[in-house]
Amino acid sequence: SQELEQSPQSLIVQEGKNLTINCTSSKTLYGLYWYKQKYGEGLIFLMMLQKGGEEKSHEKITAKLDEKKQQSSLHITASQPSHAGIYLCGADISRGTGNQFYFGTGTSLTVIP
Amino acid sequence: EAGVAQSPRYKIIEKRQSVAFWCNPISGHATLYWYQQILGQGPKLLIQFQNNGVVDDSQLPKDRFSAERLKGVDSTLKIQPAKLEDSAVYLCASSLREAQYFGPGTRLLVL
Repeated sequence: SQELEQSPQSLIVQEGKNLTINCTSSKTLYGLYWYKQKYGEGLIFLMMLQKGGEEKSHEKITAKLDEKKQQSSLHITASQPSHAGIYLCGADISRGTGNQFYFGTGTSLTVIP
Repeated sequence: EAGVAQSPRYKIIEKRQSVAFWCNPISGHATLYWYQQILGQGPKLLIQFQNNGVVDDSQLPKDRFSAERLKGVDSTLKIQPAKLEDSAVYLCASSLREAQYFGPGTRLLVL
């Protein structure tokens, strides 16, 4: 079973449009991270959320953490071709023997000029 | 600041052969991670080091995979012998506190 589910799996948007990617956990989250990956490259750290209700922004990307819903959302405003790539959420998730870090299933974003 | 370095970037081997990957983390980062990312999936943690000690290797297939981090800096991940299902990108990451910084990965193809 997947510890972190992302939706949608893939997204194709027109340049300039807004979009939202969701990351949902079935268990308690202890820190939620967002990464971006381009083909042939490593993961690029975007931002980290630690507290319920926390919201962070970097340029046109905003991420929020809803601790009660065990969910985070990543919102891109006025998307650009440079935003294209695979977005991955990652989180420390509680296991019986302690926390372990998991990645989500990934969301592939294509931005059409 | 130099990022996480990995080599080689690409490797093609035949099944049952051995292969080793190298990772040089960001200077000063005590924690080092190795991940396996199969095409179409998110990365899966194989092993986590804190300095030169193993913190978590619960998902490492220990019958064929091994990793070491001598002197608490560079690390090597070895597969011996390789299987077809080991074809994947192997990512190394390091962290000082919470955020992990990733290298470019080594793309392995097992034929």
